[in-house]
Amino acid sequence: AQSVTQLDSQVPVFEEAPVELRCNYSSSVSVYLFWYVQYPNQGLQLLLKYLSGSTLVKGINGFEAEFNKSQTSFHLRKPSVHISDTAEYFCAVIFLDNTDKLIFGTGTRLQVFP
Amino acid sequence: DAGVTQSPTHLIKTRGQQVTLRCSPKSGHDTVSWYQQALGQGPQFIFQYYEEEERQRGNFPDRFSGHQFPNYSSELNVNALLLGDSALYLCASSRDSYEQYFGPGTRLTVT
Repeated sequence: AQSVTQLDSQVPVFEEAPVELRCNYSSSVSVYLFWYVQYPNQGLQLLLKYLSGSTLVKGINGFEAEFNKSQTSFHLRKPSVHISDTAEYFCAVIFLDNTDKLIFGTGTRLQVFP
Repeated sequence: DAGVTQSPTHLIKTRGQQVTLRCSPKSGHDTVSWYQQALGQGPQFIFQYYEEEERQRGNFPDRFSGHQFPNYSSELNVNALLLGDSALYLCASSRDSYEQYFGPGTRLTVT
């Protein structure tokens, strides 16, 4: 079955520390991969996407993610976080099985402490 | 560029009532998708509209219906509201399905 898993529901981290938010998926078909950020009481903003090409993808706000096909993962990283990065982060996948539906994980709450 | 806009921002309805939510896509986008985000959950796909037709649908009952107009704007209608329909409803637009831009959402509360 096709699924998207974000194992960490919450990730606490101190300001200026590095962070990694994990995302794994299960699929028998090719995928497109996305990370979205949601600030309180707002909609979702696209951070970065992988459609094809280089497996290391750079996004906005200093975030990057690496597509690992063998491990079916797309982990999000930032070398040094800021207080303003505190938000909910969603991994999302389009399974290329002619449905083109965007399937979201359950989200990871990143809490950055001073 | 106004981006994706949604109205209203907040809405309170009573069980059994009907509600209509509206979405205007980002300029140049012709595809609109709707999602339901319950508190503490990730968004769940409801359906997608393209060329005024429902192109795909998620696992939502027929109480959820939609429409897309010639100017690409869209409506989401929910009939016979249940308490469990309380959620943030997100609209996303795209030029194709793959890079979707989200609006701020409509917070629906059913009492």
